[in-house]
Amino acid sequence: AQSVTQLDSHVSVSEGTPVLLRCNYSSSYSPSLFWYVQHPNKGLQLLLKYTSAATLVKGINGFEAEFKKSETSFHLTKPSAHMSDAAEYFCVVRANTGTASKLTFGTGTRLQVTL
Amino acid sequence: DTEVTQTPKHLVMGMTNKKSLKCEQHMGHRAMYWYKQKAKKPPELMFVYSYEKLSINESVPSRFSPECPNSSLLNLHLHALQPEDSALYLCASKRQTTEISSGANVLTFGAGSRLTVL
Repeated sequence: AQSVTQLDSHVSVSEGTPVLLRCNYSSSYSPSLFWYVQHPNKGLQLLLKYTSAATLVKGINGFEAEFKKSETSFHLTKPSAHMSDAAEYFCVVRANTGTASKLTFGTGTRLQVTL
Repeated sequence: DTEVTQTPKHLVMGMTNKKSLKCEQHMGHRAMYWYKQKAKKPPELMFVYSYEKLSINESVPSRFSPECPNSSLLNLHLHALQPEDSALYLCASKRQTTEISSGANVLTFGAGSRLTVL
């Protein structure tokens, strides 16, 4: 069984300040972890992924995330928020148990960026 | 080509209509997915096709009927829908592999088809 918890449903930051979106996971198997971003009325775009290689993962648009097994966390960070970062962010876990296995989505965190 | 293309982008239909949503990818991906997403909620898995065969059906009502005519196309046929079926329908695809390696387990999503049932 696997699950993912996004600890904040809504995060608001000022432009130019750091972003932290929190995600905790549980998985019976070695997981793959992903962050996807969804802008209003758009599909989902992959930001970054962890697949058992380096624990610090760098993604697009300056985002990065660190896999911490001891804390079962995969928090998403960015040093300096931009207005275009305002969107919904989903943390996703996949148990590595076969080819057609399912992704489990978190409930999402809405990031608001203010001037 | 690194995209998943969904048509139409918007669809309005009555409860007695029959319509279809279409999804196309030319990345050689052999796993294709339909998700349903309600407003302010995460996507919910509906169906998974693996090598053009239905491998997962998440107990979806029969008024939704998927079809995978070939490795590049995925359809979702709609009939006798209810207003609560109004949602964003997302298609996704993935390279079919057991490798836990960079890129192997990544879903590529389309932009979605927004369905309104009157």
